[in-house]
Amino acid sequence: DADVTQTPRNRITKTGKRIMLECSQTKGHDRMYWYRQDPGLGLRLIYYSFDVKDINKGEISDGYSVSRQAQAKFSLSLESAIPNQTALYFCATSKQGNTEAFFGQGTRLTVV
Amino acid sequence: GESVGLHLPTLSVQEGDNSIINCAYSNSASDYFIWYKQESGKGPQFIIDIRSNMDKRQGQRVTVLLNKTVKHLSLQIAATQPGDSAVYFCAENMRNGNQFYFGTGTSLTVIP
Repeated sequence: DADVTQTPRNRITKTGKRIMLECSQTKGHDRMYWYRQDPGLGLRLIYYSFDVKDINKGEISDGYSVSRQAQAKFSLSLESAIPNQTALYFCATSKQGNTEAFFGQGTRLTVV
Repeated sequence: GESVGLHLPTLSVQEGDNSIINCAYSNSASDYFIWYKQESGKGPQFIIDIRSNMDKRQGQRVTVLLNKTVKHLSLQIAATQPGDSAVYFCAENMRNGNQFYFGTGTSLTVIP
């Protein structure tokens, strides 16, 4: 089983719909992240959380929200999806003081 | 090398040759610089990191060089193999936290 699991792996949704992407980890890490990947733009940080009661905005948080339901779970929501949110989304985890982040397999989201 | 823009830089090398992937960074406050490898359909995977007070670090078949004077980072892969074909990202780990900020990536293709 993967250490960092994202669901769903693929999703097509309509403009204006609310959608939630989920991430769970079995690594026991305290830190979790959501990134967005677009062609030619690399990975951009959306939100990050250093523990259950900690939520921080990243570079591109507008239009997104997150919830850290437990140490092992970090979900990303698009309250009202728009086409330019079509992208590949990655969840990642890391341990405090450690430079290695572990990524999930990604969720490909298409907003039509 | 990596740069902000719409087109992913590409590098093609012959199998067995050495590869050099470059990255320019702008933030002098970064504490660590990290290289990640992303194979098709997968999330990024940690390769190697280097602390900002170092100039060089070697791993298995990889060497990372850091030139703080010109804010330049490079990843050298010795005896490149077909399995090295992937997109390579450099990332910065900020001193005041554990956020990871990624470059745009370089696509490496190994020609058998």
